[in-house]
Amino acid sequence: QKEVEQNSGPLSVPEGAIASLNCTYSDRGSQSFFWYRQYSGKSPELIMFIYSNGDKEDGRFTAQLNKASQYVSLLIRDSQPSDSATYLCAVNSVIKAAGNKLTFGGGTRVLVKP
Amino acid sequence: DAGVTQSPTHLIKTRGQQVTLRCSPISGHKSVSWYQQVLGQGPQFIFQYYEKEERGRGNFPDRFSARQFPNYSSELNVNALLLGDSALYLCASSPGASYNEQFFGPGTRLTVL
Repeated sequence: QKEVEQNSGPLSVPEGAIASLNCTYSDRGSQSFFWYRQYSGKSPELIMFIYSNGDKEDGRFTAQLNKASQYVSLLIRDSQPSDSATYLCAVNSVIKAAGNKLTFGGGTRVLVKP
Repeated sequence: DAGVTQSPTHLIKTRGQQVTLRCSPISGHKSVSWYQQVLGQGPQFIFQYYEKEERGRGNFPDRFSARQFPNYSSELNVNALLLGDSALYLCASSPGASYNEQFFGPGTRLTVL
């Protein structure tokens, strides 16, 4: 079982609709969760983070976390063609000497069609 | 303020050669992490450095090494390059070692022929 799993897509969404992306993780001790957006040929850009169970909204983005189910999701409302990208789910874990690392899923490719 | 910077942008090497990649973190950030992203996959953790000390190492061979300088910039070295080392190498910056949010630089695209 992979540590962080995402559907690879592509997730095709009409312009103006809601895109719903899902992510599951295996480490029950994980405390911090992140969504990155990555355009083709570019580096990942942090768009959302969530630490507590429930919903967190930032503009058109809503992150949802359910630690009991080991599930984190991202909703993109009023999807725009510029939202077409790969969305990476990342889970933080503590490593030796009080460091930390991000473990990423393989990413979900989103295509917003005008 | 400037974000994370990396150099060079692109690099082409042949098998067996050695390469050094460079990263400067966001001003005020003291922690630098390195990730490798192979095409079609998510980034994989290689190293974290904080205050010039290694705080963590991922599942990579000893051919990979890194260091951090007093100004918090960092270098990633890869020896005896293999074709499979071809990837986007990403540097991420955060304020401290245990600070969760990491911000990525533009990356260095390494091609090994």
